[in-house]
Amino acid sequence: QSALTQPASVSGSPGQSITISCTGTSSDVGGYNYVSWYQQHPGKAPKLMIYDVSNRPSGVSNRFSGSKSGNTASLTISGLQAEDEADYYCSSYTSSSTLEGYVFGTGTKVTVL
Amino acid sequence: EVQLVESGGGLIQPGGSLRLSCAASGFTVSSNYMSWVRQAPGKGLEWVSVIYSGGSTYYADSVKGRFTISRDNSKNTLYLQMNSLRAEDTAVYYCARVGGIAAHPFDYWGQGTLVTVSS
Repeated sequence: QSALTQPASVSGSPGQSITISCTGTSSDVGGYNYVSWYQQHPGKAPKLMIYDVSNRPSGVSNRFSGSKSGNTASLTISGLQAEDEADYYCSSYTSSSTLEGYVFGTGTKVTVL
Repeated sequence: EVQLVESGGGLIQPGGSLRLSCAASGFTVSSNYMSWVRQAPGKGLEWVSVIYSGGSTYYADSVKGRFTISRDNSKNTLYLQMNSLRAEDTAVYYCARVGGIAAHPFDYWGQGTLVTVSS
């Protein structure tokens, strides 16, 4: 039950776009369109930003977008703003012969320069 | 308004037991998938367990056989019974509603309760 792989850190200047990758396997990311992304500020609970690969919940800025290709999902933040500085985690539903449940990514710290 | 409020965390010795509670309001726990997610100090999120609306339960390998997820429909409350606790179980434990807007996202989270396993 390995965590999904994310880069430890990504940075960008205000107004730029950044992309965070999330790599799994055919039993999770590649096998289902149930990838979601969460934003977590220090000391706070995670907040859902993207669900089912590319859908945004009501109230989430359209600067956040998601996609998937094979076993890798991606979160893009366009028009980077200071308030976007946070930790980001991907998650996927997973099902195999030995496990059913969910798996999170290793997490990516986004820094706004 | 959907709200989740965890309680029951604290300091516990290795090998001990603790039961976490998650009181829900604004929706019906038994009609939704509900999950526990934990975060060790300075570390990432780790999925712990889920209970489906039909009652099926699933666990991460790291807690299987030691933790039990359950719910009390009359109290609209989710629980996590944690036995044989280890130092590596030290974490903030969040309860989360799964789904709501779709099949599997964690769309609402509680504020978390800290469990510290130490002698």
